[in-house]
Amino acid sequence: AQSVTQLDSHVSVSEGTPVLLRCNYSSSYSPSLFWYVQHPNKGLQLLLKYTSAATLVKGINGFEAEFKKSETSFHLTKPSAHMSDAAEYFCVVILAYGGSQGNLIFGKGTKLSVKP
Amino acid sequence: GAVVSQHPSWVICKSGTSVKIECRSLDFQATTMFWYRQFPKQSLMLMATSNEGSKATYEQGVEKDKFLINHASLTLSTLTVTSAHPEDSSFYICSARVPGGLYEQYFGPGTRLTVT
Repeated sequence: AQSVTQLDSHVSVSEGTPVLLRCNYSSSYSPSLFWYVQHPNKGLQLLLKYTSAATLVKGINGFEAEFKKSETSFHLTKPSAHMSDAAEYFCVVILAYGGSQGNLIFGKGTKLSVKP
Repeated sequence: GAVVSQHPSWVICKSGTSVKIECRSLDFQATTMFWYRQFPKQSLMLMATSNEGSKATYEQGVEKDKFLINHASLTLSTLTVTSAHPEDSSFYICSARVPGGLYEQYFGPGTRLTVT
């Protein structure tokens, strides 16, 4: 079965310091992976996506993620946190087979707090 | 591009009444739209997949007679919560799949439903 596991439910960093949000995936197929961000009481915004091209994926707002097949990981990073980055982040894999092919499978989310 | 809107953004209704939520793709035609429900501090739960011109596919445990979905055009899907009860209070988010894309979904801003 396909799944994603976000290893931290809450990450707190200081403004200007690096951000690391961890995600591991499980898939028998070459996965398509996404990171979405959700600000309070808002919908989800696509940050970046991996679709078997370059393993280092650059997204919006300075975020990037690296696909590591050997580690089954797709961690999200940013060199320097900004106050506006405080939000909930979801790691997502696309269901690659079965009747619900194409449906999104969400991780449980990581809440990022940024201290001034 | 790929903008999805929802209306209303928030609604308060009395127990026993019905509420309709609209989801529109503004700059593309979406043959497939999705409805999610999100409880506080939790991830998104897929309720149903809405295909234009056909019946919606509901996830296990979702009452199709309570959550009526209509996808009458390529840019509009509606979710009607019938005979709403306080336990139906939640954040409802729709998304739309971009045709020809790699299954990524673009999300609406969400609708906060409160049933009193």
